[in-house]
Amino acid sequence: SAVISQKPSRDICQRGTSLTIQCQVDSQVTMMFWYRQQPGQSLTLIATANQGSEATYESGFVIDKFPISRPNLTFSTLTVSNMSPEDSSIYLCSAETGMNTEAFFGQGTRLTVV
Amino acid sequence: LAKTTQPVSMDSYEGQEVNITCSHNNIATNDYITWYQQFPSQGPRFIIQGYKTKVTNEVASLFIPADRKSSTLSLPRVSLSDTAVYYCLVGEGTGGFKTIFGAGTRLFVKA
Repeated sequence: SAVISQKPSRDICQRGTSLTIQCQVDSQVTMMFWYRQQPGQSLTLIATANQGSEATYESGFVIDKFPISRPNLTFSTLTVSNMSPEDSSIYLCSAETGMNTEAFFGQGTRLTVV
Repeated sequence: LAKTTQPVSMDSYEGQEVNITCSHNNIATNDYITWYQQFPSQGPRFIIQGYKTKVTNEVASLFIPADRKSSTLSLPRVSLSDTAVYYCLVGEGTGGFKTIFGAGTRLFVKA
């Protein structure tokens, strides 16, 4: 199994600013992902965080808005850039250790943009 | 990735068995079926995974018919703490790895 810690757990930010969310896994994992979840909605995959290379973004998400880093096998960051109120959401980090294995999730970061 | 269809919501009472069915008509040969549970203000948590027939663990059972076009998550004797959203996912068996979530089923367990 893997335990995932996300920081911060919540934040209130001014529009136009950026916030970087950190995701730390307690063991080395193969894959790391970032999701967004609006209140009462399902999770939407933002991107796959690739170790040592650029992240792979899903349709509707771009690197300029959501730059992602993954410097090693246990850590990743997601930055929400130039925030607007529409970016208010819960952002979740997840990790998988291999094919057809379970995904482990962090507790999420609740972001409010005012 | 195969699309999944689940009931939007279900109600149950404590002590009852709950069965949540998921349709995945376009499931591919290499796809596995995985169920997650999510409580408010928490990330999803893995419940069970299967490929065919029946899988059982300490939390739930997963029934998959021979054609694999649907699956049923069975929760025995639910309690109030089982109130959550349950997601059925179908994922490729080769490469990919990424987990795509559908709409999920909101289960309300009443006293």
